[in-house]
Amino acid sequence: QVQLKESGPGLVQPSQTLSLTCTVSGFSLTSYNVHWVRQPPGKGLEWMGRMRYNGDTSYNSALKSRLSISRDTSKNQVFLKMNSLQTDDTGTYYCNSGFAYWGQGTLVTVSS
Amino acid sequence: DVVMTQTPPSLSVAIGQSVSISCKSSQSLVHSDGKTYLNWLLQNPGQSPKRLIYQVSNLGSGVPDRFSGTGSEKDFTLKISRVEAEDLGVYHCVQATHVPLTFGSGTKLEIK
Repeated sequence: QVQLKESGPGLVQPSQTLSLTCTVSGFSLTSYNVHWVRQPPGKGLEWMGRMRYNGDTSYNSALKSRLSISRDTSKNQVFLKMNSLQTDDTGTYYCNSGFAYWGQGTLVTVSS
Repeated sequence: DVVMTQTPPSLSVAIGQSVSISCKSSQSLVHSDGKTYLNWLLQNPGQSPKRLIYQVSNLGSGVPDRFSGTGSEKDFTLKISRVEAEDLGVYHCVQATHVPLTFGSGTKLEIK
């Protein structure tokens, strides 16, 4: 069955870089898009960007200068890297496939 | 960016009642391929979002037919008939026609 799982550090220091991995199973990254979505505590959902099935990427306008999404199809993994983290980047980060299948999310706290 | 205006921000309903949630977009969500990429998601407390409706009116896998989606162009509605206790949570609309993808601000459904 389709599964996605996010992994990465729970704590990041301000001004540092966040690196997250989304490991998928049950489908091919060359057939479906994978999105990254985040949610600050107690707030709504924010689309961050996506890796399309063909390798193209798209980004949230507000995050574009800090964000990079890549993939390794041989490992069934999609990566998110975002630099210059601040406290308002704290939240739960999700990956999903076409909004139909979601990972459990990973909580990232930005704090010194 | 497309702005998704979702109303109401919160609802309190009794079991068995019906409710509607509105999502209006600042631009038409009809894609150049003729399809309209408007999704409805439900996020139960402490859980990842799950997709209820895709392309305006198509029921997601395993979603009860108490849920229905209607609308076109810029005006969309999610209706829940005969609300059940498991329906509590936050409902989100998200458009995937235009990049960047954008979410509504969410509607919190409480059970009386």
